[in-house]
Amino acid sequence: DGGITQSPKYLFRKEGQNVTLSCEQNLNHDAMYWYRQDPGQGLRLIYYSQIVNDFQKGDIAEGYSVSREKKESFPLTVTSAQKNPTAFYLCASSRQGITEAFFGQGTRLTVV
Amino acid sequence: DAKTTQPNSMESNEEEPVHLPCNHSTISGTDYIHWYRQLPSQGPEYVIHGLTSNVNNRMASLAIAEDRKSSTLILHRATLRDAAVYYCIPRNSGNTPLVFGKGTRLSVIA
Repeated sequence: DGGITQSPKYLFRKEGQNVTLSCEQNLNHDAMYWYRQDPGQGLRLIYYSQIVNDFQKGDIAEGYSVSREKKESFPLTVTSAQKNPTAFYLCASSRQGITEAFFGQGTRLTVV
Repeated sequence: DAKTTQPNSMESNEEEPVHLPCNHSTISGTDYIHWYRQLPSQGPEYVIHGLTSNVNNRMASLAIAEDRKSSTLILHRATLRDAAVYYCIPRNSGNTPLVFGKGTRLSVIA
């Protein structure tokens, strides 16, 4: 089935370690996005990519890095420079035009 | 980005209609109005979008004011599965990121 897949669903890491969250889509969408959500809050944009090998910073990019080497994949690395990494991370994709965005089921990251 | 104002929370009885309002007085002429909802512990899902005319789909209806400064998402018969946070989002092109506010938390009472 077509869709957008995030893995893993839950992730635990020790403070000071980098961690990479996976996001894969088989919808042939050009654009992909990463959001962060804290309890009781709306989603905040971390990074987005509108085409392979290109990406832009969102509102809260500090402490995060991304790559877009393939159309299907947009991994997010949470680095040790991110001060408060514990959060719910959501990936999304969309195609050209005024169309809907599709979201993954999210990865809940806990840093201890 | 256009600023939106939505009630923090609303409550509805099951099988009753629900009208979720959104004010977006600074919306530009080319912004479409999108609605998404987020069920607990899940990613958001698309509900509906429109530009000027009212829109209907299998999930909901969208009523857009003539001056486009406000819109209302209408769920015709609320069910328990409609309990979610609903976000109203102006968006001016397909590849620009969605900008989320805090949305309206809808509770549905059996």
